[in-house]
Amino acid sequence: EAQVTQNPRYLITVTGKKLTVTCSQNMNHEYMSWYRQDPGLGLRQIYYSMNVEVTDKGDVPEGYKVSRKEKRNFPLILESPSPNQTSLYFCASSFGLAGAPGVGEQYFGPGTRLTVT
Amino acid sequence: EDQVTQSPEALRLQEGESSSLNCSYTVSGLRGLFWYRQDPGKGPEFLFTLYSAGEEKEKERLKATLTKKESFLHITAPKPEDSATYLCAVLSTGANSKLTFGKGITLSVRP
Repeated sequence: EAQVTQNPRYLITVTGKKLTVTCSQNMNHEYMSWYRQDPGLGLRQIYYSMNVEVTDKGDVPEGYKVSRKEKRNFPLILESPSPNQTSLYFCASSFGLAGAPGVGEQYFGPGTRLTVT
Repeated sequence: EDQVTQSPEALRLQEGESSSLNCSYTVSGLRGLFWYRQDPGKGPEFLFTLYSAGEEKEKERLKATLTKKESFLHITAPKPEDSATYLCAVLSTGANSKLTFGKGITLSVRP
């Protein structure tokens, strides 16, 4: 079954404790992306990756890191989480070369609800 | 900077009562406009891609249309299972591949 998986699905942590949210896709997609979704603000892109070792900032990259060492995996790293990073996070993937319209036809994971106290 | 505005924020319909959801956009050049459906507690699910003004796409009770400034998602004779949040997003012709989403329209269809 074609899917994007994220782990963990729920996470409660404390300020400053480094964490990683994993994302994996089994569709051999080139493009992968991370979003956060907040009430009243909608879905905002954090980082995206066009392929292995190629990443770029989205609209809200501050406080986050990513890496793309393998095509199927795109982990999101919070080095020192803060309460304003409490949010619902989605990973997504799609086919598509840089700038190609196919990039917009994304498969989303089930989401990770993060609470930072 | 790309901008996407969706209206209304919320819409309540009676089963069978057709209506339209609006997505207005501002981009330097449009590479594609995308509609997604999101159910509570789940990730968005891709519905349609529109590339150029005048284009239309249909799927069951949904039909998406595109002009140079906006897109409409028409819902014909909706059913309660059509209740969801509908998201619109744009991809511009700039050098990057950043997708910009609107805030979504929450549709409730009463039986």
